[in-house]
Amino acid sequence: AQTVTQSQPEMSVQEAETVTLSCTYDTSESDYYLFWYKQPPSRQMILVIRQEAYKQQNATENRFSVNFQKAAKSFSLKISDSQLGDAAMYFCAYRSEGGANSKLTFGKGITLSVRP
Amino acid sequence: DAGVIQSPRHEVTEMGQEVTLRCKPISGHDYLFWYRQTMMRGLELLIYFNNNVPIDDSGMPEDRFSAKMPNASFSTLKIQPSEPRDSAVYFCASSWSAGPNQPQHFGDGTRLSIL
Repeated sequence: AQTVTQSQPEMSVQEAETVTLSCTYDTSESDYYLFWYKQPPSRQMILVIRQEAYKQQNATENRFSVNFQKAAKSFSLKISDSQLGDAAMYFCAYRSEGGANSKLTFGKGITLSVRP
Repeated sequence: DAGVIQSPRHEVTEMGQEVTLRCKPISGHDYLFWYRQTMMRGLELLIYFNNNVPIDDSGMPEDRFSAKMPNASFSTLKIQPSEPRDSAVYFCASSWSAGPNQPQHFGDGTRLSIL
């Protein structure tokens, strides 16, 4: 079974600065997908960014980018120019490539606070 | 477009009572997922449906939990009888295909408190 580990429960960043959130996972599969979800106080789960394991290029979405290290099974999220609205809980998630297996496995999450 | 709609947003009830959580997926999405979020265990998948058929219910904690999807636009998660340890936020999510690169769209969740 796949596992996703987010070892840092909390992080803090100064507004306008950069922060990196760590995530590692364990799998025996070679093809899979990785996601970062954001959960603000409103509770809604919002997809931030996704990465296909077969792609070597790191995914980027505006101020959000990932550092995907397949051999190390590491998938960190970098937030540049942090904004107050980035304060939320962030979840790393894994999803298998295989057909009907559409389950997402989530990490425990990390709470990010942004200091003005 | 309307997102995934869950009701109620909050539910407080006494132990032993039946609880029903409701979900309306995004129109056209043929996968529906029920998750539970607690501080201790994080986000856990309880069950998911494809075209209204339950595919994997291995995450359902025990027989007190049941889920149905009578049609493509509605699903329920029922707990009977409820216990204090069932207190959690329950999320419903939907996606339009089995493709693993397809994101799941989440509802706002139901915060359930069992007294």
